[in-house]
Amino acid sequence: EVQLVESGGGLVQPGGSLRLSCAASGFTFSSYEMNWVRQAPGKGLEWVSYISSSGSTIYYADSVKGRFTISRDNAKNSLYLQMNSLRAEDTAVYYCATLEWELRSFDYWGQGTLVTVSS
Amino acid sequence: EIVLTQSPDFQSVTPKEKVTITCRASQSIGSSLHWYQQKPDQSPKLLIKYASQSISGVPSRFSGSGSGTDFTLTINSLEAEDAAAYYCHQSSSLPWTFGQGTKVEIK
Repeated sequence: EVQLVESGGGLVQPGGSLRLSCAASGFTFSSYEMNWVRQAPGKGLEWVSYISSSGSTIYYADSVKGRFTISRDNAKNSLYLQMNSLRAEDTAVYYCATLEWELRSFDYWGQGTLVTVSS
Repeated sequence: EIVLTQSPDFQSVTPKEKVTITCRASQSIGSSLHWYQQKPDQSPKLLIKYASQSISGVPSRFSGSGSGTDFTLTINSLEAEDAAAYYCHQSSSLPWTFGQGTKVEIK
């Protein structure tokens, strides 16, 4: 069974940093492209970042480019999101999700971790 | 950036009724359109991929259609457990985007 478990969320002050993790199990993590998708409280879904299976290709949404860094450790079956220079508008539940290789749908999602940026 | 516009934003429906949600893209995206269901306090779940492909384990009352710019998610014979928000998502070009969501309430 595919499992994705996010962690690392919490309360952080504006301008601060946080590192999110996503632990994967139940599938061959090193073969899957991965993403972060976020959802502000009471709002819709927003794609944040993508990383290829090897980590060689990375994309970001304009809203986080230059502040967030996605990475992965295939030996540890883990995905990460380093978030710097956090703003109030980054407050959201952050989900990690697998990307289907051909049709590019987000097939599996974690339960999410809440990041709150507030003073 | 491709904008996806869903309609309606909200729908209150009685059980066994048919529900139709539309998703319109700001430019042609072929069939690169997927649908997700998000129940309260849960993560999104893939319902339909590539406009009309069914997903194993998803009830057959859920179906999708469309191509180009206009897409439809249909729920035949709504059940109480279908109360949720529904989102479309395009993977035709970066940045990947979602519709604003449609909330379905059971009367």
